[in-house]
Amino acid sequence: GAVVSQHPSRVICKSGTSVKIECRSLDFQATTMFWYRQFPKQSLMLMATSNEGSKATYEQGVEKDKFLINHASLTLSTLTVTSAHPEDSSFYICSARATPSVRNSPLHFGNGTRLTVT
Amino acid sequence: GDSVTQMEGPVTLSEEAFLTINCTYTATGYPSLFWYVQYPGEGLQLLLKATKADDKGSNKGFEATYRKETTSFHLEKGSVQVSDSAVYFCALSDPRVSGTYKYIFGTGTRLKVLA
Repeated sequence: GAVVSQHPSRVICKSGTSVKIECRSLDFQATTMFWYRQFPKQSLMLMATSNEGSKATYEQGVEKDKFLINHASLTLSTLTVTSAHPEDSSFYICSARATPSVRNSPLHFGNGTRLTVT
Repeated sequence: GDSVTQMEGPVTLSEEAFLTINCTYTATGYPSLFWYVQYPGEGLQLLLKATKADDKGSNKGFEATYRKETTSFHLEKGSVQVSDSAVYFCALSDPRVSGTYKYIFGTGTRLKVLA
């Protein structure tokens, strides 16, 4: 159980275009999802916390107008990288926690999306 | 603020060798502690967890004990296999302090097991 599906797994786009990444909880509901960015051989950097039915909470230094997050339902959150540039190339990972949450319940991660901007 | 420190990698071992990956943390409260594993090109998978002092998490031959006195959560395995080659992340979460369920991750330790 507790599967998080992330799509696409890999995307290549041209500079200036926008890319949407989907994160779905397949067998549980998640009021909160998290979006991470991972640079090569580095740890995960939390970008934002996605809340169902409300605005996302962005971490300091993350441009909310560039990384648009929509959490339209209890099973789906999307991250749109707008006007992508080569420096946005990275591995993006989403995670979710089952609802109702309990303190010690773990995060479940998607398999990530490798974005390459040319 | 809360933080997690992991030993730097990469760690290279021969098959059947003993593995230890060190993890220490600083926290103002009483966090839950986790080990996640990331295989190449994939997301993170929960490996094991411990929610209070002296708890031992275990899974797939891996173990880690929550040591409050040393603020540590070292990962161990008695006999590693080539298939254990991956990046291992130590993490903590304490919503009572942060008010959210944010996780704080260590920098990850890459393990390479040679046949």
